Amino acid sequence: AQSVTQLDSHVSVSEGTPVLLRCNYSSSYSPSLFWYVQHPNKGLQLLLKYTSAATLVKGINGFEAEFKKSETSFHLTKPSAHMSDAAEYFCVVSDLDQGGKLIFGQGTELSVKP
Amino acid sequence: DAGVTQSPTHLIKTRGQQVTLRCSPKSGHDTVSWYQQALGQGPQFIFQYYEEEERQRGNFPDRFSGHQFPNYSSELNVNALLLGDSALYLCASSLQGGGNQPQHFGDGTRLSIL
Repeated sequence: AQSVTQLDSHVSVSEGTPVLLRCNYSSSYSPSLFWYVQHPNKGLQLLLKYTSAATLVKGINGFEAEFKKSETSFHLTKPSAHMSDAAEYFCVVSDLDQGGKLIFGQGTELSVKP
Repeated sequence: DAGVTQSPTHLIKTRGQQVTLRCSPKSGHDTVSWYQQALGQGPQFIFQYYEEEERQRGNFPDRFSGHQFPNYSSELNVNALLLGDSALYLCASSLQGGGNQPQHFGDGTRLSIL
């Protein structure tokens, strides 16, 4: 069975400082992993995806994530936080045995202080 | 290029009633998935439609049913509404082809049960 665990329910950073949102996954095969962002009262926007190509994946708005098989991790990073980055972030794995249904982590709320 | 559109944006119902939510997929997409997001939680997979058939189903009771039309749009129907059905209902579309295809989300329908 596929699953993801987001290690922090809430992360707070100052504007201009680095962002690190942590995610571990469990998968019986090479996973398809995604990061989505959700701003208040909005749907989910795809930030980036990993599908067994390069292990360092670049996404939109300066975000990137590194796939580490040895650590079963897929952490999301950004060098410098912006106020507009404040949102809920979800680490997601796709269950290829079930038509690609998405399995979401519990989410990490990112706060950015001025 | 229109993205995923959902209607209505908000809905208030009472216990025991029935509700229908609608979704138009992103142009060119042929697969529609529905998710339920309770307050403070990650989205949970309800079911997926492809070629007008339910292809995969999550752990939801039969009160939840759906339909996909020839133009790929979709409906989610919930019967005998319970207070616990209050949630944000998200529609996502993708290209058929398994879990490597990223899913694009609409802004959701906020359903409140009184």
